[in-house]
Amino acid sequence: EVQLVQSGAEVKKPGESLKISCKGSGHSFSTYWIGWVRQMPGKGLEWMGIIYPADSGTRYSPSFQGQVTISADKSISTAYLQWSSLKASDTAIYFCARGGVAVFDMWGQGTMVTVSS
Amino acid sequence: QSALTQPASVSGSPGQSITISCTGTSSDIGGYDYVSWYQQHPGKAPKLIIYDVTNRPSGVSNRFSGSKSGNTASLTISGLQAEDEADYYCSSYSSSSTGVFGGGTKLTVL
Repeated sequence: EVQLVQSGAEVKKPGESLKISCKGSGHSFSTYWIGWVRQMPGKGLEWMGIIYPADSGTRYSPSFQGQVTISADKSISTAYLQWSSLKASDTAIYFCARGGVAVFDMWGQGTMVTVSS
Repeated sequence: QSALTQPASVSGSPGQSITISCTGTSSDIGGYDYVSWYQQHPGKAPKLIIYDVTNRPSGVSNRFSGSKSGNTASLTISGLQAEDEADYYCSSYSSSSTGVFGGGTKLTVL
């Protein structure tokens, strides 16, 4: 079965670092773009950035450039989204999704990140 | 880059057709035939229902159709069913080689 499985929910304090993951299976992970999408509580989807695992090429939305880092380890079919210093406003569900820059044909189940003092 | 503009809500009765618009600029929707639409039920991950403006992934009902004119894309759902009640998001490729989503539209089936 083709799927993306994300790491579990996280509760962090402001200023802490965090790295969440997205593991692909059932398909050639390296040859699809993997994107990250934010959904703040009760709000819409926001395109954050995308990575091509075969060469780790990345593209970021201007809104998220410098705020997060997207990486991937193709040897274990896993993509990552990380923060060096979390803020309360980072509280959201984060989805990874497979596809291309403009289309995501498969989505992970989402990772809830809560940042609170 | 600004989010694409969608109506906040639309509604329709079972069996009717509804259309959701998605307005961008010549730097996104108007410049590329790379518009996609997603359906999201509460507490679930989004699901791709239309890609490349008009194409349906395998398994998606033919009651869903997409189109584009100028800087505006549209999603039409015909023969509305109770299960169609969900949030719908458009997305487009943009000139910055990134993607952008619309603000989302809540569909209520009356």
